[in-house]
Amino acid sequence: QVQLQESGPGLVESSQTLSLTCTVSGDSIGRNTYYWNWIRQPAGKGLEWIGRIYNSGSTNYNPSLKSRVTISVDTSKNQFSLKLISVTAADTAVYYCARLPYTTGYYYFDYWGQGTLVTVSS
Amino acid sequence: EIVLTQSPGTLSLSPGERATLSCRASQSISSRYLAWYQQKPGQAPRLLMYGASSRATGIPDRFTGSGSGTDFTLTISTLEPEDFAVYYCQQYDSSPQYTFGQGTKLEIK
Repeated sequence: QVQLQESGPGLVESSQTLSLTCTVSGDSIGRNTYYWNWIRQPAGKGLEWIGRIYNSGSTNYNPSLKSRVTISVDTSKNQFSLKLISVTAADTAVYYCARLPYTTGYYYFDYWGQGTLVTVSS
Repeated sequence: EIVLTQSPGTLSLSPGERATLSCRASQSISSRYLAWYQQKPGQAPRLLMYGASSRATGIPDRFTGSGSGTDFTLTISTLEPEDFAVYYCQQYDSSPQYTFGQGTKLEIK
């Protein structure tokens, strides 16, 4: 059974860097079958895709966040990570990691982490 | 960026009734790139449908997806108590970019 688990600080000061890690179990992040993604959801609002990474390290980001986001992968630890710099209150949200299979020709997120709330404090 | 607009914002129905949820794209998209999710309070979204009309593993057949081009629909034929939740549609474009609709809340009447 595939599981994803987010971890990282729940509180980040304004203007600082948000750092989260997603640990994958039940599957190898090194398999050439998936994109690994970060998605966020402010309280009471909808979902926003942040970016994705392939096991090679190739990345794509949401244009609205591209200047502040870095996603990296560590295949030896079966983990991928998110860094978001210069955070503001608008970055307060539940952050999810999610898997996207791409070899099927369809594009959907089939497994999600439980989510972790990150609050940006002023 | 392709914008997805879901309607209605809130749908109030009773168990046993039929629910019809709409997702409209700002430009034509491939039906292969349209998915639906269900989200309950405090939980992560759960994949329901992909390719507009294919049910994900374990999703009961009372859920049906349809549509093409810019107009897509999720239908729940006979509402069960556990179906009351927020539903999101999601699309992919080749930028690459993934966007979600703003959600439809299905609430008990």
